[in-house]
Amino acid sequence: EVQLVESGGGLVQPGGSLRLSCAASGFTFSTYWMSWVRQAPGKGLEWVANINQDGNEKYYVDSVTGRLTISRDNAKNSLYLQMNSLRAEDTAVYFCARAGAAGTVDFWGQGTLVTVSS
Amino acid sequence: DVVMTQSPLSLPVSLGQPASISCRSSQSLEHRDGNTYLNWFQQRPGQSPRRLIYKVSNRDSGVPDRFSGSGSGSDFTLKISRVEAEDVGVYFCMQGTHWPWTFGQGTKVEIK
Repeated sequence: EVQLVESGGGLVQPGGSLRLSCAASGFTFSTYWMSWVRQAPGKGLEWVANINQDGNEKYYVDSVTGRLTISRDNAKNSLYLQMNSLRAEDTAVYFCARAGAAGTVDFWGQGTLVTVSS
Repeated sequence: DVVMTQSPLSLPVSLGQPASISCRSSQSLEHRDGNTYLNWFQQRPGQSPRRLIYKVSNRDSGVPDRFSGSGSGSDFTLKISRVEAEDVGVYFCMQGTHWPWTFGQGTKVEIK
């Protein structure tokens, strides 16, 4: 059974940092692209970043470029999102998602809430 | 960025009745590889999204056949042939053809 379990969310002050983790199981992690997608409270979905199987190809939405960094450790079956210089508008539930074939995500974790507030 | 526009944003439907959600993109979603990367997701209250449809019309395993996707270019539709109580939630279209991937605003389906 495919499982994606996010952790690391919490309350952080504006300008602060946080590192999210996603533990993957039930599939061969190293063979899949992976994504982070976020959802502000009561709002829609926003794709944040993608990373390829080897971790050497990454894509970001413009609003997070230079502040959020996606990475992975295939030996640990884990995906990460390093979040720096956080802003109030980064407040959201962050979902880890498996990117299936091209142009899609086919499985989502339950999400972890990040709240940026003083 | 490609803008995805869904309509309606709210859809009250009686049980057993059909429902239809439109999704239009600001540019064609046909990829140079010949595929059209248009997906539909369902998000039930309090849950994470679940993919229903990929590449316009391919239904995911376990998705009831009352759900169907159609369309081409920049105009797409998700149809539910007969709405059931478990279909309550928000439905999102998402394009994976152009970077950055983008989602529609969501359509809230509720029982009338």
